Amino acid sequence: AQSVTQPDARVTVSEGASLQLRCKYSYSATPYLFWYVQYPRQGLQLLLKYYSGDPVVQGVNSFEAEFSKSNSSFHLQKASVHWSDSAVYFCALSGGSNAKLTFGKGTKLSVKS
Amino acid sequence: AQTIHQWPVAEIKAVGSPLSLGCTIKGKSSPNLYWYWQATGGTLQQLFYSITVGQVESVVQLNLSASRPKDDQFILSTEKLLLSHSGFYLCAWSLAWGGAAEQFFGPGTRLTVL
Repeated sequence: AQSVTQPDARVTVSEGASLQLRCKYSYSATPYLFWYVQYPRQGLQLLLKYYSGDPVVQGVNSFEAEFSKSNSSFHLQKASVHWSDSAVYFCALSGGSNAKLTFGKGTKLSVKS
Repeated sequence: AQTIHQWPVAEIKAVGSPLSLGCTIKGKSSPNLYWYWQATGGTLQQLFYSITVGQVESVVQLNLSASRPKDDQFILSTEKLLLSHSGFYLCAWSLAWGGAAEQFFGPGTRLTVL
């Protein structure tokens, strides 16, 4: 069975501060990992993805994430957040030959200006 | 450029009434199509997927059904809504198949069952 845990339902940071959104996964092999963002009243947009290789992956809008096999984690980071980053962020996992994405419950990010 | 459209944007329905939600993808030929559901306060779950016209596979049993009548259209429906069907329904597509396939999501339909 595969699962994704996002331990923080809500995170609030000040504009210009750094950000880390946590994601832990459970999967028997090396998974494919994704971070999606959902802005209010919109669908999901892909921020970045990890398939293999360099554990640090760069995404859109200066987001990056680091894969750790030993910690079963795929944390999302940004050096300096902007008020427009306020949204809900989902970590997701898929594996093997099927295309089933397993999502975490999401983390709602609020950026204070 | 490809576009994905879902209808309706939002729906308020009575328990026991029928439901039909739609999804159309333009600009891509023979996409793989998916339905996801998010209960209020819950996570997203994949409900159905379709690789080709006329073929739909169920992933989670929720007393819902799905059909793919055209290459670019995916329909989610039920004859009798339950309170538990409330939530946010997302349609998605991909060109590749498998765990590495990047999926692109529509804007979603918010369903409230009273």
